[in-house]
Formats: sequence, structure tokens, C-alpha cells
Amino acid sequence: GAVVSQHPSWVICKSGTSVKIECRSLDFQATTMFWYRQFPKQSLMLMATSNEGSKATYEQGVEKDKFLINHASLTLSTLTVTSAHPEDSSFYICSASRSLAGSDTQYFGPGTRLTVL
Amino acid sequence: GQNIDQPTEMTATEGAIVQINCTYQTSGFNGLFWYQQHAGEAPTFLSYNVLDGLEEKGRFSSFLSRSKGYSYLLLKELQMKDSASYLCAVRDSNYQLIWGAGTKLIIKP
Repeated sequence: GAVVSQHPSWVICKSGTSVKIECRSLDFQATTMFWYRQFPKQSLMLMATSNEGSKATYEQGVEKDKFLINHASLTLSTLTVTSAHPEDSSFYICSASRSLAGSDTQYFGPGTRLTVL
Repeated sequence: GQNIDQPTEMTATEGAIVQINCTYQTSGFNGLFWYQQHAGEAPTFLSYNVLDGLEEKGRFSSFLSRSKGYSYLLLKELQMKDSASYLCAVRDSNYQLIWGAGTKLIIKP
């Protein structure tokens, strides 16, 4: 159990367009979902934490108007990168936890590689 | 500030044993995780320690000493597929995961 999927696995878009990434917990209810970004050869950087039905909590330096997060159900969270620019090109990874505040283990999705031209 | 230290890169031979160390300084402690990440892929969960001691899971074992702020991941009978980055992460008092930069493990035949 504890399988997390992401869609799409990779996406290429033009500068100025918006991209939506979906994160789904397939066999458990994810009370908390996390969105990370990882640049090449660097560690994971937490962008935001979201609980089902409430607004996401963004990390310092992450623009909430640019990275829109919706956690509408216990199995689905979406990240929308609005007006994407080449510097937003990165590997975006979601993770899900059964518990509030992530006190349970986080299970990761396979990641989405975003390339902005 | 909060800090997780682990070696940047290690090399080992197929069939051998390797120990990857992790030291941490965090505001509070609510468990330590080890994840494996192959290049271009997301991390996968390996182990979780919250009490002192050794947790064994097949070829992988993880050790924790809370008083020393220290953990290690021990990999036995190394296989080529073990070539990956190994990430140490500590959950602080706010249940935030603080991530190390990862240790790239290279396995040679």
C-alpha cells in the first residue's frame, strides 16, 4: 500500500503558459500532501504543505500566487504553475501522508519534470 | 539554524558493505528517515528511526543515536542497482522534514 501517482510525468511548455500537475494517493487517504521542487544535483526543497479542505501553507520565498495549490479531496492535490518561465524548469515531486502535520511517513509520487522554453 | 550533514559522495564495491553517516542539528526531533533516490526519479522510503538503536530490514539497516545527533544507513551485499543517492531527513518539533543534501553512492564491479 501507500502508492502515490503524479500526472504528467513530464511536460514541456512555452514561457507564459500555465501548467497543472496532479498528485493522487491511490490506496490511502492523504490528509496532508506536500509539494517539493528539486533542481539538478540539489536536495529536495519543500514548497508548500496542504491539508484537505484548507489553504496550503507555503514556505518562505515561494510565491503563492505563482504556485497555486488545491487539495480538494483526500486523494487529490494539484499544483498549478502560473505564467511559467524558464527558471521554473525543475523536477516537481509531491508526497502524501495519512496524518495531519505529516506525523506519519511521507510517500512520494514519481515526480514531474517541467521544462519551460 | 537547522542542519543535516552527510557526505556528498561515496564509492563502494559490489558485494561489499557501506555505511553512510548523517549528523543533524534540529529544533526538536520527531524521527529520522532514510530515502533512496535514483537519478531522475522521486525518493522511495527506506527506513524510519525514532528510538535509539538499530533497525534492520533485509540488506539495509539504520542506526540512531539521539544524544549524539547521529544516524547511519548500512547497506550490505551491495548490488549495482544500489547505485543511487541516499537522503537523510529529520522531522523537527513542528513535524517539518528537514532534508540533507544526499549522498551519491557509486557501486563499482
